[in-house]
This record gives sequence, structure tokens and C-alpha cells, in this order.
Amino acid sequence: NAGVTQTPKFQVLKTGQSMTLQCAQDMNHEYMSWYRQDPGMGLRLIHYSVGAGITDQGEVPNGYNVSRSTTEDFPLRLLSAAPSQTSVYFCASSYLEGFGYTFGSGTRLTVV
Amino acid sequence: AQKITQTQPGMFVQEKEAVTLDCTYDTSDPSYGLFWYKQPSSGEMIFLIYQGSYDQQNATEGRYSLNFQKARKSANLVISASQLGDSAMYFCAMREYNNAGNMLTFGGGTRLMVKP
Repeated sequence: NAGVTQTPKFQVLKTGQSMTLQCAQDMNHEYMSWYRQDPGMGLRLIHYSVGAGITDQGEVPNGYNVSRSTTEDFPLRLLSAAPSQTSVYFCASSYLEGFGYTFGSGTRLTVV
Repeated sequence: AQKITQTQPGMFVQEKEAVTLDCTYDTSDPSYGLFWYKQPSSGEMIFLIYQGSYDQQNATEGRYSLNFQKARKSANLVISASQLGDSAMYFCAMREYNNAGNMLTFGGGTRLMVKP
């Protein structure tokens, strides 16, 4: 049982480049979400999904896109990377009615 | 308005002593859950303890207990018998089950440092 798997663990991008952060879970969780954590701060919600085909914006969605074509996968796309998107990104999943969130190990992204 | 407030940016505690980390929250949803997570220097998010809004008793998990005062909207984490390995960032979070997406909202965190 792998839990929540995020790839890559580290990434350096140049300003203007695009990329996709991958997130996969094998627990059949309906709910998946992406957070960013800036230095010394808590996590802020970027986008979330309550099931395949259903996504919505969180607190800081600008500059990011998501899609949920399967229950297992929830990729996060950076459309045109900016230095302000330098952060650690966490993917998390849970059952809709449950209380246990499972977090991935994070992706440390640097935009230069 | 902040949904989750942690007023202690950093705290020191002597090894083997107990420590309380403060958390207050704001919601009008009658159905919600409160969480505490630990984030060590390695960066992973470790779930510690959960309290549901309808739970009558305070949650406990080993050395962790949650002092839940519903009328005051506070959910303080108590760590008994602190250990050096408890040095980490601690985040309080809330999930509102009747709000769209019932997303998890985090506070700004408290950095706990345990002194030998």
C-alpha cells in the first residue's frame, strides 16, 4: 500500500516554463487536494477534487490548473512558472466523510 | 477572518516537561473536525490527533491530548513528557464538513524546540 505518491521530489524551473507535478493515491479516496507551503508558513489550498471529473479552486489557484480523470490521479500543472511559485507542494487525499488525511512527501520547486 | 489561529510562533520546553500549543478556530458549520499535524525538519506532514465537533470527550493519542473547549472555539494540543524528537513545527487544521469541498484549512504553525 503506497499511500500518496508525489513526483518529482525536487524540481528547478526557469521563469516561463511549464510543468506538471504528479500525485497518485491507491486508497480509493474520493477527495484529493494540492497545497503549497511557503517558508515559515502553514499550508494553503490551491485546488481540490471531490471525485473523478470534479475539481474546484482553493485559496490560491492562480497560475495552476488541475484535472481529475481517474480516482487515483490528480496532477497539478504550472502554466507559466514564476519565481513567486517557488514553494513546497503537498498532495493530500482522504475519504469524503472521513477524518484521516494522507499527505504525500512533497515536491520542492524552485523557479529561477 | 482567519479560520485557524496559532498565536505562538515559537516555543521552548524542557525535556520531560509538558507543553501546550494553542489553537483557536472560527466556523459557523456545526459539523467540523480539528487536526494537529507535526512537521519535522525532514518536511513530511505527520498526523497526530483528531477531534470531531460532536465528540464529547477530549481526544488522546499516547503522549498527545487535545484540550477541546467548544464554546471558546479552542483546540489546544498538549504534549506530555516532551522528548528531543518532539522538536518540530506543529500545525492546527480544521475541516468543515458542510462547506463545499470540506477542505482542510491550516494555521500558521508553532515551532517547538525541546531543550535537553
